[in-house]
Amino acid sequence: QLHLQESGPGLVTPSETLSLTCTVSGGSISGSSYYWGWIRQPPGKGLEWIGSIYYSGSTYYKPSLKSRVTISLDTSKTQFSLKLSSVTAADTALYYCARLSPYTSSSLFSYYFDYWGQGTLVTVSS
Amino acid sequence: QSVLTQPPSASGTPGQRVTISCSGSSSNIGSNTVNWYQQLPGTAPKLLIYSNNQRPSGVPDRFSGSKSGASASLAISGLQSDDEADYYCAAWDDSMNGPHWVFGGGTKLTVL
Repeated sequence: QLHLQESGPGLVTPSETLSLTCTVSGGSISGSSYYWGWIRQPPGKGLEWIGSIYYSGSTYYKPSLKSRVTISLDTSKTQFSLKLSSVTAADTALYYCARLSPYTSSSLFSYYFDYWGQGTLVTVSS
Repeated sequence: QSVLTQPPSASGTPGQRVTISCSGSSSNIGSNTVNWYQQLPGTAPKLLIYSNNQRPSGVPDRFSGSKSGASASLAISGLQSDDEADYYCAAWDDSMNGPHWVFGGGTKLTVL
């Protein structure tokens, strides 16, 4: 059974860089076809996708966050990481890491988030 | 303001059938599949429906999904008290700004 666990500072100072790591156990992150991603949820609000990284290292980021986001893979440690620079109070949220798995049928090809971490709360405050 | 539009709330009594809608556009639901997630209070989201209408193993067949054009729906039949949760739709968006995942704002389901 795949297990994902987020880790990192729970408090970040405004204008600094938020850094989180997702450790994957029970499976490999270098397996083909899977993406690994970050999603966040501000307190009391909905889900917001931040970005995803393919096993090969190619990345997709939310356009409005692209200038501040970097997602990277460390296959040797079965981890992937999120860096979000120049944070403000608006970046305060519960941050989730998740796996994107492919689905193929005769007429469709799609992805879905199947495994999620439990989430880690990051507060941006001085 | 979420790219995918969901009603903020829905409700039903035990045993009833409820539906939750998710409205998008040609760049997301209109051209890609829809996934649905259930988020129980204080927990991480859980995959409920993928690729419009596919159920992961372990998800009861009381839950079903459908898609028509740029809209999708989640139906829950035989409503139970432990279905009380937030439900989110999601789709890939082939935006000119750069492709990305979009979520609905979420629907809070109350079992009366």
